[in-house]
Amino acid sequence: NAGVTQTPKFQVLKTGQSMTLQCAQDMNHNSMYWYRQDPGMGLRLIYYSASEGTTDKGEVPNGYNVSRLNKREFSLRLESAAPSQTSVYFCASSEGSGRAYEQYFGPGTRLTVT
Amino acid sequence: DAKTTQPPSMDCAEGRAANLPCNHSTISGNEYVYWYRQIHSQGPQYIIHGLKNNETNEMASLIITEDRKSSTLILPHATLRDTAVYYCIVRVMSGNQFYFGTGTSLTVIP
Repeated sequence: NAGVTQTPKFQVLKTGQSMTLQCAQDMNHNSMYWYRQDPGMGLRLIYYSASEGTTDKGEVPNGYNVSRLNKREFSLRLESAAPSQTSVYFCASSEGSGRAYEQYFGPGTRLTVT
Repeated sequence: DAKTTQPPSMDCAEGRAANLPCNHSTISGNEYVYWYRQIHSQGPQYIIHGLKNNETNEMASLIITEDRKSSTLILPHATLRDTAVYYCIVRVMSGNQFYFGTGTSLTVIP
């Protein structure tokens, strides 16, 4: 049982390049989330998917798109990377939403945009 | 969701209880209090949550005041591996979002 996995672990992009961060969970969870964490800051929610087939914006969605590919996978895409998107990105999942479910986090993707 | 206030840093001697406070004076009746921790840039780890009553699990205890305006996370016998940033979060039961503040950086000293 791997929990939440993220790929890649590290990535360096040039301004304007695009990339997709991958996230998968093997806990049969319904809800999945993408957060970013800037140095010295707490996590901020980018997008979430309460259930397969649905996605919604979080606190900081600008510059990102997401796809809930199936129940297991939730990807985050940067279409045109900017230095302000340099951050650590965490994916999380929970059994559901709308109740007091805890979230399980992946190990993170460290992204640098030059 | 209500905002929370935590001290930016605390120290605790190894083997002693670590008591981490959190103020959430604007909490409303349907909001839960959650605690997570983040060890050295790893993904955050769930610790405990509660609504009104005190809660205990294998990791920690959560004490919520009767007026629910503040809470304390207690790690009964802190070890060096408990050195981490601890986040106190309040969240409505129907909500999807966790709002992480900057947390309390706990250092356990040998």
